[in-house]
Amino acid sequence: QSALTQPPSASGSPGQSVTISCTGTSSDVGGYPYVSWYQHHPGKAPKLLIYEVNKRPSGVPDRFSGSKSGNTASLTVSGLQAEDEADYYCSSFADSNNLGVFGGGTKLTVL
Amino acid sequence: EVQLVQSGAEVKKPGESLKISCKTSGYNFPIYWIAWVRQMPGKGLEWMGIIYPADSDARYNPSFRGQVTLSVDKSISSAYLQWSSLEASDTAMFYCVRPIMVGEIIVGIDYWGQGTLVTVSS
Repeated sequence: QSALTQPPSASGSPGQSVTISCTGTSSDVGGYPYVSWYQHHPGKAPKLLIYEVNKRPSGVPDRFSGSKSGNTASLTVSGLQAEDEADYYCSSFADSNNLGVFGGGTKLTVL
Repeated sequence: EVQLVQSGAEVKKPGESLKISCKTSGYNFPIYWIAWVRQMPGKGLEWMGIIYPADSDARYNPSFRGQVTLSVDKSISSAYLQWSSLEASDTAMFYCVRPIMVGEIIVGIDYWGQGTLVTVSS
């Protein structure tokens, strides 16, 4: 069981938007502005999409956006494209271990 | 180009020792923290610990303290994760990563190694 809770799956049609949630506690997601999101295509290294809740590294399309409310963070993928089909993981700094915790991952299917 | 290239898959017996490596290139190795992340079969990712190569300052997840040792060799820009006595429960994929730090807080991971699969079985 992962420290952060994500839905195991999500789906949407091309062009639609989908939001993936990531629920933690006040000791991690809710207590710090340090949530990050990763896209993982099998066989490849995970890719950073969002850091510090809503910041995008250079090169990440603005179709990817992050937000947080209380103990739940969210990743929204707008204008879904076929290449967005992948696993998505959230992570947060956690004062329980002074390092961080991850979510269990969400498999996004583009219908 | 920043690269983290890990050593190959390992198959070991319980009680054996093991040291896996992460060879980095494309950046100034000593001044960036480097970390290890575990993924057990069918499970999520877990931070194991981080180390600052310039002075080998290592911080461990309490869940892993005493179970593994992090080290570096600055002369060859490499980081290591080692066990003195493996157990079957150590079977997992291990990733070396370069975390993004704000002060001493990890706020993300900008580069990942390809992973090293460790299988421990009698």
